[in-house]
Amino acid sequence: KAGVTQTPRYLIKTRGQQVTLSCSPISGHRSVSWYQQTPGQGLQFLFEYFSETQRNKGNFPGRFSGRQFSNSRSEMNVSTLELGDSALYLCASSLATSTNEKLFFGSGTQLSVL
Amino acid sequence: GESVGLHLPTLSVQEGDNSIINCAYSNSASDYFIWYKQESGKGPQFIIDIRSNMDKRQGQRVTVLLNKTVKHLSLQIAATQPGDSAVYFCAEIPRGSARQLTFGSGTQLTVLP
Repeated sequence: KAGVTQTPRYLIKTRGQQVTLSCSPISGHRSVSWYQQTPGQGLQFLFEYFSETQRNKGNFPGRFSGRQFSNSRSEMNVSTLELGDSALYLCASSLATSTNEKLFFGSGTQLSVL
Repeated sequence: GESVGLHLPTLSVQEGDNSIINCAYSNSASDYFIWYKQESGKGPQFIIDIRSNMDKRQGQRVTVLLNKTVKHLSLQIAATQPGDSAVYFCAEIPRGSARQLTFGSGTQLTVLP
């Protein structure tokens, strides 16, 4: 069974640009969550999607947005990039049949903002 | 201003010894806890979980202990191997917050030959 797939693996952008990251969950998983990982702040929750609906959102500005498609694939978008957005963006999927459930993470997209 | 990174606690152990990694969690309402292992260039990998109605759970070579009184979690790795070298994170999920994990800052485990 294939794991969580994130594309692209690496991305370089400049300030003010926007970026879209993609995540394909494990087959059959309906929940997709996004996390940001930086040396300064560690791992922080961005948002969670289930059945194309955002169910939970972390404490990030509105420049960070996401969506989920009917096949459970998800994208996140960051507009008007800032230097501080440089981070590893991780996607995690789960079956979402119970409240507390194992999350399986992808290898992430390393975003560098110059 | 200068950006200061998180100071990761480090733990170095000899191959074959047991490792104990500690974590203090913040939310007394958390009822589900997970340990993740993250190797360089990879995403976090699930190791073991425990619910708040338990105080100990064992897996293959790993044991998690939960002390709710002092909000402390520990991960014990038996017979540590070179492949165990990684950053280890504890994560908590408060009751009712679905799959929103709150991660600790992590511990860098280095296994010495």
